[in-house]
Formats: sequence, C-alpha cells, structure tokens
Amino acid sequence: DAGITQSPRYKITETGRQVTLMCHQTWSHSYMFWYRQDLGHGLRLIYYSAAADITDKGEVPDGYVVSRSKTENFPLTLESATRSQTSVYFCASTQARNTEAFFGQGTRLTVV
Amino acid sequence: AQKITQTQPGMFVQEKEAVTLDCTYDTSDQSYGLFWYKQPSSGEMIFLIYQGSYDEQNATEGRYSLNFQKARKSANLVISASQLGDSAMYFCAMREGDTGGFKTIFGAGTRLFVKA
Repeated sequence: DAGITQSPRYKITETGRQVTLMCHQTWSHSYMFWYRQDLGHGLRLIYYSAAADITDKGEVPDGYVVSRSKTENFPLTLESATRSQTSVYFCASTQARNTEAFFGQGTRLTVV
Repeated sequence: AQKITQTQPGMFVQEKEAVTLDCTYDTSDQSYGLFWYKQPSSGEMIFLIYQGSYDEQNATEGRYSLNFQKARKSANLVISASQLGDSAMYFCAMREGDTGGFKTIFGAGTRLFVKA
C-alpha cells in the first residue's frame, strides 16, 4: 500500500528495555521526521533526516537513536525505555521544503 | 532559536462564524515555511495550508486562509464559516532552511470547539 506506515500501532514495554518503532514510506521522500506528542506540548521533534545516512537531532533527542540505511525506512530506537518516554510517536515524510509532510498513524507507546 | 508559539489552548466558536487561531514564530532564517495542520479526535494529522516566507500574498485553501504578517512574525489561521466538523486540535508548524534536513517544529496546539 502506498503511503507511510508505522509499526507497531500500540506497544507496552518495561522500563529499561530497548524498543524500536518502525516507519516505512513508499514515496521515496527524501526527508523524514520523528515526533512525540504529549498533552500540553504539541508535537516535539526528536530526530530528522535529509536522506539515507544523514540524520540530525531535533528538540528532544536524548534517550533515542535513529538510523536510515534506506531512503524508505526510518526506525526510532529507545535504547533503555523510561516512563517519561510514554507518548504517542509520529513519523512523517516530505519531498521538499515547501510541501506538506505526510504523517503515519502514530504509535502509542506505554512504558511501565 | 527556532520557536513556535500558540497562545490559545482552547477556543470556542459558533457554527457558521469565522475564527482566528493565533501563531507566532521566531527564526533567524530568511527562508522558511509555515504550515497548519488539523488533528481530529481520531488522531490523524491533516495538512491544511502552507505559506512560504517569500510569498507576497496570503495563502488560501477553501475556507482556510493564513494571515501572514512577516514583520510581526505571525501566521494566524482563519477559518471562515465554521462547521461542526472543524472541532479538532490545530497545530502551527515552521520549517527552516534552504538545504539540509529542513527541521520542522510545531506549536503546542489550539483545541477548537464549534458550537451548534
């Protein structure tokens, strides 16, 4: 299916565990983003990427790691999950500076 | 530093009336883009409208218009003839840069309630 897909949609994990959230887009968009959404904070940028093997930190990168070995995939890893990382995570992609970003459905992550 | 501010956590509007959602931004870049997105209760992010920093005219898309005041660094969204389906969270976003990753940040959002 064309579009941008996140998996899993829901995840419960324990404190201290490593967890990876997947993001896959079929448009070959160059630019991809990871956000977390928390009440009162809107969407906060975690990491973004301009192309394969090019990534950069956003507003709240601590505790997260990203990679982008292929244009279409942009996984986000929580190396050692903490309760403060309980959130809804959105992946997005766009082709150019002046075009809208397309968002995945979101992943609701709960860290217990 | 790049910053987006939405000062209205919640807004009420009567059906069929117009409403303005405020957004101010801060950037040192000359080239940037401003976006508005809608997030209904179902959670998906829906693009509404875009304004480039060099665009001389305010952007319009159907019932949505963007009141762009560059000197004041504001990019307010105007929704005309509000409908019940407009009840949602609205986010303002800014994308910087001519090259590189096009860092895009969002404001905290405004929840709009449309009354029948």
